[in-house]
Amino acid sequence: EDQVTQSPEALRLQEGESSSLNCSYTVSGLRGLFWYRQDPGKGPEFLFTLYSAGEEKEKERLKATLTKKESFLHITAPKPEDSATYLCAVQHPGGSYIPTFGRGTSLIVHP
Amino acid sequence: ETGVTQTPRHLVMGMTNKKSLKCEQHLGHNAMYWYKQSAKKPLELMFVYSLEERVENNSVPSRFSPECPNSSHLFLHLHTLQPEDSALYLCASSQGPGTDEKLFFGSGTQLSVL
Repeated sequence: EDQVTQSPEALRLQEGESSSLNCSYTVSGLRGLFWYRQDPGKGPEFLFTLYSAGEEKEKERLKATLTKKESFLHITAPKPEDSATYLCAVQHPGGSYIPTFGRGTSLIVHP
Repeated sequence: ETGVTQTPRHLVMGMTNKKSLKCEQHLGHNAMYWYKQSAKKPLELMFVYSLEERVENNSVPSRFSPECPNSSHLFLHLHTLQPEDSALYLCASSQGPGTDEKLFFGSGTQLSVL
């Protein structure tokens, strides 16, 4: 069973159609939750770190939030250039503080 | 040159070949990682070198052998691979243990085993 579950697996949006991606986790003692963006043929690129429930971080059209068992990546009025795979990872004592990744959400934004 | 650099970008090898993947980081970090990325699967940690200590995923076959001569360079030696080893191999670095383990990734080596 995955410790980090991302949903949906794939998401297609029209340009300007806001939506949210979910990352839920089952680990205990969360030290940090990370969001990354990965473009085809490239390595993941860091977006945000969240540390505690209630925390929020924003960058352009992206806003990440954290509760005790899940995180959301909200995408407001997306553009085609936001198309990518979004990865979530958690850092916790049981994993020797090495980040454990989810399977990702593939986002396509149509013009 | 900045960030994390991986070479080669693409590699095709037969099952009897021996090859090595190279990674170099220019960020002054203390930890370096090898991850395997296969379609529809989470990134799978293979090895971590942090302050000269090595942590490894016990499920990684012995046909993969890491080497970390210093904090800036990381190698993954490959020998007698299987077709199921075909994947994107990603190198990453971070500041090190006890810190925010924000990872900086290279662009990866796309490996095909014939």
